[in-house]
Amino acid sequence: KAGVTQTPRYLIKTRGQQVTLSCSPISGHRSVSWYQQTPGQGLQFLFEYFSETQRNKGNFPGRFSGRQFSNSRSEMNVSTLELGDSALYLCASSERDNTEAFFGQGTRLTVV
Amino acid sequence: AQSVAQPEDQVNVAEGNPLTVKCTYSVSGNPYLFWYVQYPNRGLQFLLKYITGDNLVKGSYGFEAEFNKSQTSFHLKKPSALVSDSALYFCAVRDGVNTGFQKLVFGTGTRLLVSP
Repeated sequence: KAGVTQTPRYLIKTRGQQVTLSCSPISGHRSVSWYQQTPGQGLQFLFEYFSETQRNKGNFPGRFSGRQFSNSRSEMNVSTLELGDSALYLCASSERDNTEAFFGQGTRLTVV
Repeated sequence: AQSVAQPEDQVNVAEGNPLTVKCTYSVSGNPYLFWYVQYPNRGLQFLLKYITGDNLVKGSYGFEAEFNKSQTSFHLKKPSALVSDSALYFCAVRDGVNTGFQKLVFGTGTRLLVSP
C-alpha cells in the first residue's frame, strides 16, 4: 500500500496570504489528523477528521481550518498567514480507532 | 489532560551498547502509548505501541519498550545500538477514555546520537 501522501512538500508564502495543504491517507484509512511541528512548540495537534466530520480540534485560532472529502482525502487551510505559522505540517491517517497513526512526509511552510 | 515528558534532550551511546530513551506520561484513563522516530526533513515513522496486554512491547528495527503502570513510564530500549539509529525520538500518548479520538499528545523529543 502507498503511504500517506502530502502535497506540496515545500511552500513559501507571504504574510497575509492563505495556503491550502493536501493529504491523501493510506487506502482504507478513514481517520485523518493534522499536526504542526515547530522548534519552539514541538508537535501540536490541529484537528482530526473521520468520515468527513471533524471529531476533535486543537487549540489553534480560527485561521486554521480543514475538511475531509468522501474519499478520505483531507485539506487544511490557513488564512491570513503570519510569520509564526512557519512550520512543518504533518498529516497522519489511521485505519480505525485504537490503532497507530501513520504519518506523511510533511509540508514545510515558510512564511516571509 | 494528557501529557508526556521526555526528560532527556539528547542521549549519547556508543554503537553496540544498549540504549534507553525515557518517557513518562499522565492520562486520565487507560493510556495508549506510542513511540515514533523522525529522521531529518522527514515525517514521523511508527516504531511500536502499547494498547493493552504484555508490558514488554516489541517493535520495528529491534526496538522494544516497557510499560510500567506504577511508574507511569514507557521507556524505549534497544539491546545493541546502530549508528543508523541516530535520529529524533518521540513518545506519544492517547487518552483511552475518549475512544474514537485520534489526538496524540507528544513529548518534546529526545535526540539519540550513536557514535561509531
